[in-house]
Amino acid sequence: EAQVTQNPRYLITVTGKKLTVTCSQNMNHEYMSWYRQDPGLGLRQIYYSMNVEVTDKGDVPEGYKVSRKEKRNFPLILESPSPNQTSLYFCASSLKTSGRRETQYFGPGTRLLVL
Amino acid sequence: QQPVQSPQAVILREGEDAVINCSSSKALYSVHWYRQKHGEAPVFLMILLKGGEQKGHDKISASFNEKKQQSSLYLTASQLSYSGTYFCGFSGADGLTFGKGTHLIIQP
Repeated sequence: EAQVTQNPRYLITVTGKKLTVTCSQNMNHEYMSWYRQDPGLGLRQIYYSMNVEVTDKGDVPEGYKVSRKEKRNFPLILESPSPNQTSLYFCASSLKTSGRRETQYFGPGTRLLVL
Repeated sequence: QQPVQSPQAVILREGEDAVINCSSSKALYSVHWYRQKHGEAPVFLMILLKGGEQKGHDKISASFNEKKQQSSLYLTASQLSYSGTYFCGFSGADGLTFGKGTHLIIQP
């Protein structure tokens, strides 16, 4: 089944404890991105990647890191999480670069609580 | 900069129509529309690629005015299953940016 998977789905952590949220797609998509969703603010892009080893900042990149060493994986890293990073996170992918002309497929989401 | 979506929320009775509008201050390549049910991931509805393009399936359709940098989503004879949050996404030179969403509630 074609899909985008994220792990973990739910995570409670404490301020300053490094964490990684994994994202993987099995559709051979070139473009992958991370969004955070907060009440009243909609979906805001954190980082995106047009292909392996190519990543770029979105609208709200502060406090996050990403890497794209393989085409199928795009992990989101929080080196020192803070409470303002408590949010619902979505990974998405699309077939071609930039996602301009392509459907974006979203993962199921990761709900993060930073205490 | 996020697209501006309006209205923020709509409450309808089953069978009524609704229009959701989206506008941007930046040049656009395409417009994406997604629907999200509570607690779930956004699901693709449609993409409009050209100015003036209109698309639709079932009773949901959309238009894209490239010159005005605006798009509208039309829901006709709404059904209970249409409830959810609708997002427009505008694709420009720096990627895909979503609006804040419109909450649509359909009552029997």
